[in-house]
Amino acid sequence: NAGVTQTPKFQVLKTGQSMTLQCAQDMNHNSMYWYRQDPGMGLRLIYYSASEGTTDKGEVPNGYNVSRLNKREFSLRLESAAPSQTSVYFCASNWQGTDTQYFGPGTRLTVL
Amino acid sequence: DAKTTQPPSMDCAEGRAANLPCNHSTISGNEYVYWYRQIHSQGPQYIIHGLKNNETNEMASLIITEDRKSSTLILPHATLRDTAVYYCILNSGGSNYKLTFGKGTLLTVNP
Repeated sequence: NAGVTQTPKFQVLKTGQSMTLQCAQDMNHNSMYWYRQDPGMGLRLIYYSASEGTTDKGEVPNGYNVSRLNKREFSLRLESAAPSQTSVYFCASNWQGTDTQYFGPGTRLTVL
Repeated sequence: DAKTTQPPSMDCAEGRAANLPCNHSTISGNEYVYWYRQIHSQGPQYIIHGLKNNETNEMASLIITEDRKSSTLILPHATLRDTAVYYCILNSGGSNYKLTFGKGTLLTVNP
């Protein structure tokens, strides 16, 4: 039981490049989330998926797109990376109807 | 969701109890108090939550005042591995599962 896994762990991009952050969970959770955390700050919600087939914007969705590929996987795409998107990205999941979220180890992204 | 107020940092001696306060004076009746922590460079970890009764689990105890305007997370015997940022979060559950993280309290456990 790996919990929530994220790939890659580290990534460096140049401005304008695109990439997809992958997240998978093996806990059969309904809901999945993408957060970003800037230095010295708390986490901010980018997008979430309350259940398979649905996605909704969070607090800071601009510049990002998401895909809930199936119940296990929820990906985050940066179409044209900007230096302001340099951050640590965390994926999380939980059972629908509960508030206890389980987090992945994070992806550290630097945009030059 | 209502906001919470936490001190930015606290120190605690190893082996002693760590008491982390949280003010949430505008909490509404259906909001739970959640505590998460984030050890350096790792993803946040759930600790405990409660509505109005005190709660205890293998990690910590949560004391909520009778008026629910404040709460205290207690780590009974802090260890060096408990050094982390601790977040107090309010959430009403239901269809809104989104957690709003503030800056939290950096707890440093000293040997």
